[in-house]
Amino acid sequence: DAKTTQPTSMDCAEGRAANLPCNHSTISGNEYVYWYRQIHSQGPQYIIHGLKNNETNEMASLIITEDRKSSTLILPHATLRDTAVYYCIVRPNAGNMLTFGGGTRLMVKP
Amino acid sequence: EAQVTQNPRYLITVTGKKLTVTCSQNMNHEYMSWYRQDPGLGLRQIYYSMNVEVTDKGDVPEGYKVSRKEKRNFPLILESPSPNQTSLYFCASRRNLGQGSSPLHFGNGTRLTVT
Repeated sequence: DAKTTQPTSMDCAEGRAANLPCNHSTISGNEYVYWYRQIHSQGPQYIIHGLKNNETNEMASLIITEDRKSSTLILPHATLRDTAVYYCIVRPNAGNMLTFGGGTRLMVKP
Repeated sequence: EAQVTQNPRYLITVTGKKLTVTCSQNMNHEYMSWYRQDPGLGLRQIYYSMNVEVTDKGDVPEGYKVSRKEKRNFPLILESPSPNQTSLYFCASRRNLGQGSSPLHFGNGTRLTVT
């Protein structure tokens, strides 16, 4: 699996958009970008994933650059409950192992 | 409700006393896996299973065993626990490959302390 690099921590004001970047410069053509988050010590929660095109669901949007070497997770209107550690992961669709790195600790402030 | 259920949520034991952490999913997922989470080290995969009777080592398999006799269950066995296995453990499942990209569903975790 390609390695990912994320900032260690970020702050965001409540109600504003939170933009979480992820670098994955060694990503290969068949690898998807996945985002999960972990609130306190609960089990990680799936947010969104994509291959090439930008994606949007009820939780977030995922913007993938044209060269696929980086992506941004966007929480359009962050709330206090979005405070969590956000993990960016790349893996091939046919990949068995999944490696979580350190993630970004997002703090949403009132 | 679709879910992955782990038991127990908390477990305190002593060195060398065999223990099993159970994991069950009700989504008919073929793939299941175990992770441990330690401060500063993120989530590391212990073992995974592609389907019934098929298991493979992850990044940190030493000191652990697993079995997959049924599709829904994937227990994690520590034959002789040691203090360095004190950690937060997560079980996860997903649909198998060849069915499109499929996200992992995680259980709520088991916090194990070995004294």
